[in-house]
Amino acid sequence: DAGVIQSPRHEVTEMGQEVTLRCKPISGHNSLFWYRQTMMRGLELLIYFNNNVPIDDSGMPEDRFSAKMPNASFSTLKIQPSEPRDSAVYFCASLGTGVYEQYFGPGTRLTVT
Amino acid sequence: AQSVSQHNHHVILSEAASLELGCNYSYGGTVNLFWYVQYPGQHLQLLLKYFSGDPLVKGIKGFEAEFIKSKFSFNLRKPSVQWSDTAEYFCAVVSGGYNKLIFGAGTRLAVHP
Repeated sequence: DAGVIQSPRHEVTEMGQEVTLRCKPISGHNSLFWYRQTMMRGLELLIYFNNNVPIDDSGMPEDRFSAKMPNASFSTLKIQPSEPRDSAVYFCASLGTGVYEQYFGPGTRLTVT
Repeated sequence: AQSVSQHNHHVILSEAASLELGCNYSYGGTVNLFWYVQYPGQHLQLLLKYFSGDPLVKGIKGFEAEFIKSKFSFNLRKPSVQWSDTAEYFCAVVSGGYNKLIFGAGTRLAVHP
């Protein structure tokens, strides 16, 4: 298995632009998690899905952030409009039924100038 | 709400020194506990996990952790560190349904040759 796939790996954009981060979970996994990692705040859970349904989005910082999971093999995290303080590494992780270990993707390093 | 505390934010050791990283969690019931490692520029990888049974858990790369229920602790140990162990280490506990993970703030370990 290729593991969790995220794209792009690096994104540099200007303030005010829309940013879309993508994640493909491991095949057969039915839970998907989006995290944000910064030096100041560490690793934060933004939102997670189970069977493509958002379960808890209380970690999403603002309405500028939105996430979707249209099917079991794809999820997006969108920031519109982006701001410099959104600069961080965004990780996606997936988890299968009966499996308790979350598998993390390589992350997307976002820089908003 | 559950929480995880990692007491050491930065640890500096020389090669061959012994390592112990502290982790305490807040929940008093049945817990599932994890240690993840993040090497520089990489994603989080599982080091070891505890669900039940032997409270001394052995993981990859010579790491082990001991679950002490009375102390709400799950400290990570390695008898002799190597330069390649330089990384950030995260303790995590499963919270609620859907196996959501609550992470500690992380401990940055630097091992000098």
